[in-house]
This record gives sequence, C-alpha cells and structure tokens, in this order.
Amino acid sequence: DAGVIQSPRHEVTEMGQEVTLRCKPISGHNSLFWYRQTMMRGLELLIYFNNNVPIDDSGMPEDRFSAKMPNASFSTLKIQPSEPRDSAVYFCASREWGGTDTQYFGPGTRLTVL
Amino acid sequence: TQLLEQSPQFLSIQEGENLTVYCNSSSVFSSLQWYRQEPGEGPVLLVTVVTGGEVKKLKRLTFQFGDARKDSSLHITAAQPGDTGLYLCARGGNQFYFGTGTSLTVIP
Repeated sequence: DAGVIQSPRHEVTEMGQEVTLRCKPISGHNSLFWYRQTMMRGLELLIYFNNNVPIDDSGMPEDRFSAKMPNASFSTLKIQPSEPRDSAVYFCASREWGGTDTQYFGPGTRLTVL
Repeated sequence: TQLLEQSPQFLSIQEGENLTVYCNSSSVFSSLQWYRQEPGEGPVLLVTVVTGGEVKKLKRLTFQFGDARKDSSLHITAAQPGDTGLYLCARGGNQFYFGTGTSLTVIP
C-alpha cells in the first residue's frame, strides 16, 4: 500500500502568493486530517473530514486558510494570501473511521513563505 | 490551550542509558496514544493505551497509562541511536490533540 501521499514535499513562495497543498489518503480510509507543525506551537490540528464532509475546522487559523475534499481520494489545503508566519510543515493524515483509532501520516509539506 | 504537557522537552543521553518521558493533562482521556517522529517524516503510532493502569511493552519501550487516565509515561531501556526522534503523546477519540513533544537524542 502506498500510504498517505502529499505534494509538494517542499514549497517556497513569496508573501502574498497562493499556496495549495495536496493530499491523497490511504484507499479505504474515510477520515482525513490536516495538521500544522512548528517549533513554537508543536503539532496542531487544523481541520478534519469524515466521508468528505468537514466536521471541525476550528483549528484553521484565519479565513486565509481553506480546505476541501471533493472526493474520497483527494484533499487540498489552500492559503491565500500566504504570509511568512504560515511557514511550517503541513501534515495530512488518514484513518478508517470506527476502526482502531490509528492515524497514518503523510511525509509532510515543508512550506517557506518569504 | 495546551491540553497535553510533555516533559522533558529535550533529552540527550548516551547509548545504553535508560530514560522516562511523561505526558500529563488535567483532563481524563478515553484513550491515549504515543507516536515517534523522525526528522523529515510524519509521526508513526507506537501504541494506544485505553485502560487506567494499563502497561504495554514494545521491545525496549514500556508504556503506562495512569490509574486516573490523566497521564502516561514512556520508559526506554538501554536506549539506542535508533531511538532518536520526537516522541509525541496524543489524545484519542474523535479528534486528536498532540502534546508538546519530547525530543530525544541518543549519542553513540
């Protein structure tokens, strides 16, 4: 099995630009999570989906952040416009809802906003 | 709000030493998980504990869930360089909240 796939692995952009991060969950998993990790704040849950429906987006920092899950095999996290304080590693994770509670993380996208 | 406090934040030890890291909260958990994260990768689940007082062993790693289900510890016996990484505890259930993490370095 391929595991959770994220792209790109690294993104460097300038302040004000739009950034789109992509995630393909493990086939058959019906829950998907987006996290952000920084040295200062650790690993923070941004939003999670069950069966493609956003359940809780209270962790999304601002309106500049948006996430979609158009189908069971794809999700995006968009930042528009980006700011230097958005620099972080963004992780996507998936799990089988009602299963063992085990989340499987992707390798992350390291975002640098200049 | 930090729901899970981990200590110590950083730990550097020699190969062969033993160590214990802690995860504490004022809230009761239905379950608690421990993850290890290596540089450049996502966290990987090590264990889930559910019952108060539960002890689980994974080779040289021993995990304990407090009787009141508010705290947990991870003990590593005879640490090896391969144990180096960031150790995170997380509250299970419908959502996942992660602790502040303990960064462990095992020096050969």
